[in-house]
Amino acid sequence: KQEVTQIPAALSVPEGENLVLNCSFTDSAIYNLQWFRQDPGKGLTSLLLIQSSQREQTSGRLNASLDKSSGRSTLYIAASQPGDSATYLCAVSRGSQGNLIFGKGTKLSVKP
Amino acid sequence: NAGVTQTPKFQVLKTGQSMTLQCAQDMNHEYMSWYRQDPGMGLRLIHYSVGAGITDQGEVPNGYNVSRSTTEDFPLRLLSAAPSQTSVYFCASSLLAGGPYEQYFGPGTRLTVT
Repeated sequence: KQEVTQIPAALSVPEGENLVLNCSFTDSAIYNLQWFRQDPGKGLTSLLLIQSSQREQTSGRLNASLDKSSGRSTLYIAASQPGDSATYLCAVSRGSQGNLIFGKGTKLSVKP
Repeated sequence: NAGVTQTPKFQVLKTGQSMTLQCAQDMNHEYMSWYRQDPGMGLRLIHYSVGAGITDQGEVPNGYNVSRSTTEDFPLRLLSAAPSQTSVYFCASSLLAGGPYEQYFGPGTRLTVT
């Protein structure tokens, strides 16, 4: 059974710091991996999607990498800002149905 | 376009009552799904649909029914609400099932069952 783990569960950093969020999964047979952001009381916003054949994707200050063989993905946030404070969720898609299996998230707090 | 919309935003039910959570998308997406989010449990899949007329169960389907009569709408029915169904419910959609397609989520419905 696929399990997705995100470490750390919570992270507090000063503004301007570069940081890395980690995601690991137990079954490397994935179709894609998607990173989301969730603000308190809100829905999920898609940040990046990495297909199983790709190694990384970039969007602005965000860079996500994927190493299928080791079952790991990282989300790199450059020059963090207080507006980046949110919970970041990692999810893998396995099988042709496209259903997502989520990690429990990393709650990020960026202090001014 | 509005993306994925969900109604209501909040709902309080008494045990045994039934209700329908509405989900609609205007992106002509074939794949739609329902998740519930509980503290400490993360998001778990309830039901999903790969196209109009096709639905299937996810990880936690008991107590819920779905139907997909149109591409746009995917309602979730609680047949007889129980306190264990207190949760935040999210609807999601993507262009097609599987493949390199992002999933888009609605704003959620916060349900309390007393």
